[in-house]
Amino acid sequence: GEEVAQTPKHLVRGEGQKAKLYCAPIKGHSYVFWYQQVLKNEFKFLISFQNENVFDETGMPKERFSAKCLPNSPCSLEIQATKLEDSAVYFCASSLGQGRQETQYFGPGTRLLVL
Amino acid sequence: AQSVAQPEDQVNVAEGNPLTVKCTYSVSGNPYLFWYVQYPNRGLQFLLKYITGDNLVKGSYGFEAEFNKSQTSFHLKKPSALVSDSALYFCAVRDIEGGKLIFGQGTELSVKP
Repeated sequence: GEEVAQTPKHLVRGEGQKAKLYCAPIKGHSYVFWYQQVLKNEFKFLISFQNENVFDETGMPKERFSAKCLPNSPCSLEIQATKLEDSAVYFCASSLGQGRQETQYFGPGTRLLVL
Repeated sequence: AQSVAQPEDQVNVAEGNPLTVKCTYSVSGNPYLFWYVQYPNRGLQFLLKYITGDNLVKGSYGFEAEFNKSQTSFHLKKPSALVSDSALYFCAVRDIEGGKLIFGQGTELSVKP
């Protein structure tokens, strides 16, 4: 598609439950990035993919977070055993390439609320 | 480490007046700088980017940004603000390794009629 699509728009989970978020990048884009926006302003990078391969996972809290990008499927970000501090908006972005000049295009985000 | 800073949490402008949203950067090597806008409950929309070349970059919705190497700044500007420009604006730099974006803290722009 022409835009990055993210589902669901909103997700409510009780503490300790699992949360799974999905992202469909723009058609033809090889790179997918996940960011977490907390406290309205602060953006934190989580992980990036080149096609189905992890490119950079330096931002991932590995004990509870995992992500995948499989061929012919939306990418996913999964949080096992959610905690209150996971409440945030999770954005997916895609870009054509990895070069520093490439623009990342963002989806509308998934708002996760952990109660 | 690379970083960007947006020194103003909020900028207030009257409609029709020029606006400036400030951004300074700290990078090793050549900077690749971006401006994004976020409307309430929406994702980030790309406005413009500086890669190389002209220091004045023109972007979407009448916005432009001026790259100043000596002052390490990349301020966002618009000659005449609209009420509909009211939103959250983020400056970002592309990381040297890995390609992730490193964002500033964001500046809330409020344009009053």
